[in-house]
Amino acid sequence: NAGVTQTPKFQVLKTGQSMTLQCAQDMNHNSMYWYRQDPGMGLRLIYYSASEGTTDKGEVPNGYNVSRLNKREFSLRLESAAPSQTSVYFCASSEAGAEQFFGPGTRLTVL
Amino acid sequence: QQQVKQSPQSLIVQKGGISIINCAYENTAFDYFPWYQQFPGKGPALLIAIRPDVSEKKEGRFTISFNKSAKQFSLHIMDSQPGDSATYFCAASINDYKLSFGAGTTVTVRA
Repeated sequence: NAGVTQTPKFQVLKTGQSMTLQCAQDMNHNSMYWYRQDPGMGLRLIYYSASEGTTDKGEVPNGYNVSRLNKREFSLRLESAAPSQTSVYFCASSEAGAEQFFGPGTRLTVL
Repeated sequence: QQQVKQSPQSLIVQKGGISIINCAYENTAFDYFPWYQQFPGKGPALLIAIRPDVSEKKEGRFTISFNKSAKQFSLHIMDSQPGDSATYFCAASINDYKLSFGAGTTVTVRA
């Protein structure tokens, strides 16, 4: 089992460009999450999906959109990237009431 | 603002010593307190977790102490080893869903 996979691993964008970060899990989990990690701030929840067909805002949703494509896949879209979105992005999945499993992360730089 | 405050930001300990990381929270509705361990270039992974109905939980060399009245909890790493060098995050959630993370503590174990 691969667990949680994320693509791409690295990405450089120019201000105003758009991109989609992909996440997939093979553990049959119902819940999936997107976090961003910035130095000195820990991980902050951007969006989450408690189950297939539902999505909700987290702590820092502005500038992002998400799609829960099916039970396995949860994508994060930046419509018009800004330098403030330079960060490391992590996807995670879990069953309700259980441990969250994290992917390896995507390092995004916005110039 | 962060709902979970974590200290110190970093610490250095000699091999065989004890590492102590502290976290404090305000929201008394939190009912799940996990600790995550993250190595450079990797996603966080669950290390140990506690619920507020117990005051201490031990797994190997790792112990969580929980003080409900003070709204504080801490991670103790006994007999610290170089392989424990990592960043540690405390977190808290309500009903095990959305995790609120502390800012993280970078632990360096000197051989």
